[in-house]
Amino acid sequence: GAVVSQHPSWVICKSGTSVKIECRSLDFQATTMFWYRQFPKQSLMLMATSNEGSKATYEQGVEKDKFLINHASLTLSTLTVTSAHPEDSSFYICSARLAGVNEQFFGPGTRLTVL
Amino acid sequence: AQKVTQAQTEISVVEKEDVTLDCVYETRDTTYYLFWYKQPPSGELVFLIRRNSFDEQNEISGRYSWNFQKSTSSFNFTITASQVVDSAVYFCALSGLGGTSYGKLTFGQGTILTVHP
Repeated sequence: GAVVSQHPSWVICKSGTSVKIECRSLDFQATTMFWYRQFPKQSLMLMATSNEGSKATYEQGVEKDKFLINHASLTLSTLTVTSAHPEDSSFYICSARLAGVNEQFFGPGTRLTVL
Repeated sequence: AQKVTQAQTEISVVEKEDVTLDCVYETRDTTYYLFWYKQPPSGELVFLIRRNSFDEQNEISGRYSWNFQKSTSSFNFTITASQVVDSAVYFCALSGLGGTSYGKLTFGQGTILTVHP
């Protein structure tokens, strides 16, 4: 149980284009999903907290207009990197939390490369 | 503010050696959770353990053991008789249980463990 999927697992795009990454909780309902970014050989940094049916809460220094998050259902959250640039190339990982439980289940991650 | 420090950037051992990964944390929360995750080269995070701040008992799971010392704000992880498959990046993380820190994970910098045959 508690499986989280991400799609795509990797994506290569041209600079200036937008990329959408999906995060799904497959066998449970997630009222809260988190989005993390991990640069090579670095730690995971929380980008934003996404609550179903409400606006995402972004961490300091994360541009909300560049990283659009939508959490339209209890099993799906999407992260759209708008007008991507090479410096946005990173490993993006989502996690989903069961309602009332302080435990996060992580997706396998999406590797974004912007040319 | 929460902070997790893993002072060891890289550790290299030979198979069958024991190895301890250090983790020191800072938090103003009176209750919190501590975690250890393993990240193999594939990138997917593997959950290893979650410990509530109320519970200072040490835990053993197979070759893995954890030493939680609230007095020194440390949550160290020991692998006994290491194996090549243990090679990975290991992250210690902290999650608060109150207010704005509820559910948010703060990760340490990670320790790269390499186990040589």
